[in-house]
Amino acid sequence: EPEVTQTPSHQVTQMGQEVILRCVPISNHLYFYWYRQILGQKVEFLVSFYNNEISEKSEIFDDQFSVERPDGSNFTLKIRSTKLEDSAMYFCASSVSGNSNQPQHFGDGTRLSIL
Amino acid sequence: KNQVEQSPQSLIILEGKNCTLQCNYTVSPFSNLRWYKQDTGRGPVSLTIMTFSENTKSNGRYTATLDADTKQSSLHITASQLSDSASYICVVTRGGNNRLAFGKGNQVVVIP
Repeated sequence: EPEVTQTPSHQVTQMGQEVILRCVPISNHLYFYWYRQILGQKVEFLVSFYNNEISEKSEIFDDQFSVERPDGSNFTLKIRSTKLEDSAMYFCASSVSGNSNQPQHFGDGTRLSIL
Repeated sequence: KNQVEQSPQSLIILEGKNCTLQCNYTVSPFSNLRWYKQDTGRGPVSLTIMTFSENTKSNGRYTATLDADTKQSSLHITASQLSDSASYICVVTRGGNNRLAFGKGNQVVVIP
């Protein structure tokens, strides 16, 4: 069964540095998402992406964050000037359409640790 | 506010026994409710989805119920297996913007 894949599985970065988290969504999916889960907390929506542009973003997704689909397969989340509170598990998800009855398929996440 | 609350936070059950997990939500307008299973170190995997008109849905040994009037859902696990040890997350889709609201999860540990 096709899967969403994320790399790296674990990223350790010094505070203030930039990080890029990578995701390869399922090939025939058209909608892409990023979520984060701070340790012990709920999963939180960051951003959704369709047709090469952001379709919706949460209040968490400020100017520090950006997303890009640089080619036909990768979907990236960039965090500029990382802060300690950015430490979290970041999940990428994709869905075949924006219909709410279509499930979002999640990757296994990237654990981001900011030192 | 659009919240999803789950109980119990965690539970330990003996292999072969049944258990029921609870989810209460205040998300409005409501589109659908999903239960996801998240194994340790893995991403969430969808188990069931229910819309407003559905009040029960099964997926193997997992049975979900939905009472849209009281805004409550449950997930029943029958004849638990060691592989059922995971976090079970209740996720409600908000109508209109299709934004997902996540519960904190029920941590289930099945012991032999």
